[in-house]
Amino acid sequence: GAVVSQHPSRVICKSGTSVKIECRSLDFQATTMFWYRQFPKQSLMLMATSNEGSKATYEQGVEKDKFLINHASLTLSTLTVTSAHPEDSSFYICSNSEAFFGQGTRLTVV
Amino acid sequence: GDSVTQMEGPVTLSEEAFLTINCTYTATGYPSLFWYVQYPGEGLQLLLKATKADDKGSNKGFEATYRKETTSFHLEKGSVQVSDSAVYFCALSDRGGTSYDKVIFGPGTSLSVIP
Repeated sequence: GAVVSQHPSRVICKSGTSVKIECRSLDFQATTMFWYRQFPKQSLMLMATSNEGSKATYEQGVEKDKFLINHASLTLSTLTVTSAHPEDSSFYICSNSEAFFGQGTRLTVV
Repeated sequence: GDSVTQMEGPVTLSEEAFLTINCTYTATGYPSLFWYVQYPGEGLQLLLKATKADDKGSNKGFEATYRKETTSFHLEKGSVQVSDSAVYFCALSDRGGTSYDKVIFGPGTSLSVIP
C-alpha cells in the first residue's frame, strides 16, 4: 500500500512556541494530502487539505494563521502549530490521497 | 453533506465470540467505504475497503460488504481475539479520477475482548 510516515510521534512544547509536524508519502506521489485532528475518545475531524504547490484549504473554524501548512513537494506536507497553547494539545494525523494514514503526532503543550 | 453512523459502544466480548459492528452511511455520490482500526496511542491502520456495491472487503479475518440498497457496511469477524481490542472507525471517501478526497469518519466503536 501507499505508506505514509509522520514525524514526530510525540512532542511536548512550551506554551507560545511553534511545532512542526512532517508527513511523508513514501511510495506515492501525493499532490493532495489531508490533516486531521482527534481529541481524546473522539473521532477524527478534517482540519485542512494540503495542495502541492498551492495554498492549503482550511475547514471552517480552523485558523489558517495558527496551523500553517506547506506542501512543497509531491511527497512531503508539513503542519506547523504556531504560538501553541494548551488547548492545541491533541492528536494530529495526516493522510495521502490513497486514504492511507500516518502514525499520528501526540502534541502536548505545557 | 456525507456522513457515517456507527454503533458507538463500548463493546465487550469474550475471546472467540462473534463480532458485528454496524455502520450506515449517507452520501450524495457513490463513495468508497473503509474500516480503520486504531490501537491505543497509535495512528490509523486501514483494515479493509470496498469500492463498489456488493464488493466484500476482507483482512485478518474481518469482513464487510458494501450494501448500496441499505447504505450499510457492517464489520464482522467470526472469532475475536484479545489482540483485536481497539477502536474501529467506519469511513467513506469519494474517489475522483486517480485519488481519494477527504475521508469522513464515523464516531468510532471501542472494542474490548476479554480472555
